[in-house]
Amino acid sequence: TQLLEQSPQFLSIQEGENLTVYCNSSSVFSSLQWYRQEPGEGPVLLVTVVTGGEVKKLKRLTFQFGDARKDSSLHITAAQPGDTGLYLCAVFGGATNKLIFGTGTLLAVQP
Amino acid sequence: EAGVAQSPRYKIIEKRQSVAFWCNPISGHATLYWYQQILGQGPKLLIQFQNNGVVDDSQLPKDRFSAERLKGVDSTLKIQPAKLEDSAVYLCASSLGMGNQPQHFGDGTRLSIL
Repeated sequence: TQLLEQSPQFLSIQEGENLTVYCNSSSVFSSLQWYRQEPGEGPVLLVTVVTGGEVKKLKRLTFQFGDARKDSSLHITAAQPGDTGLYLCAVFGGATNKLIFGTGTLLAVQP
Repeated sequence: EAGVAQSPRYKIIEKRQSVAFWCNPISGHATLYWYQQILGQGPKLLIQFQNNGVVDDSQLPKDRFSAERLKGVDSTLKIQPAKLEDSAVYLCASSLGMGNQPQHFGDGTRLSIL
């Protein structure tokens, strides 16, 4: 059983479209991170959300942490081919507070 | 600031052979991590070092995987003997310290087992 379930698993859209990806869990977290991983590279941290209901914006990306701090969403407005990549949510957990990643959403934006 | 360096970028071996990966973290970063990322999945932590000591190796298959960070800087991850299911990208990351510190990832080594 995965601690963090992401949906959808795959998404292929045209340039200019909007999209939302989700990260869900039955557990409560003190914070949650979003990463983007481009092909052939390592994940890069986009944002950390801490407070329930918090909304953070990064250019065309909008991140929201659920009120109960169990889930999060990432909304991209007017997607561009440069947004293509694997989007991962992650939390710190376990006895040694290690970083635990979600199942990922693979996004392809067609020109 | 130079990022996390990993080598080689790609490696192809036959099953039952051995392989080693190398990682040089960001200068001054005390904590180093090795992750395994199977195609289509998120990275999974294999081992975490704080300086040259192991903090967490609970998900490291110790019968075939080993890792060391002898001088608290560079690290190597070895697989011996390799199995087909070890085909994955092996990512190294580093952070200033433990806890909720931001982790910086290298570009990984893509391992294919034939």
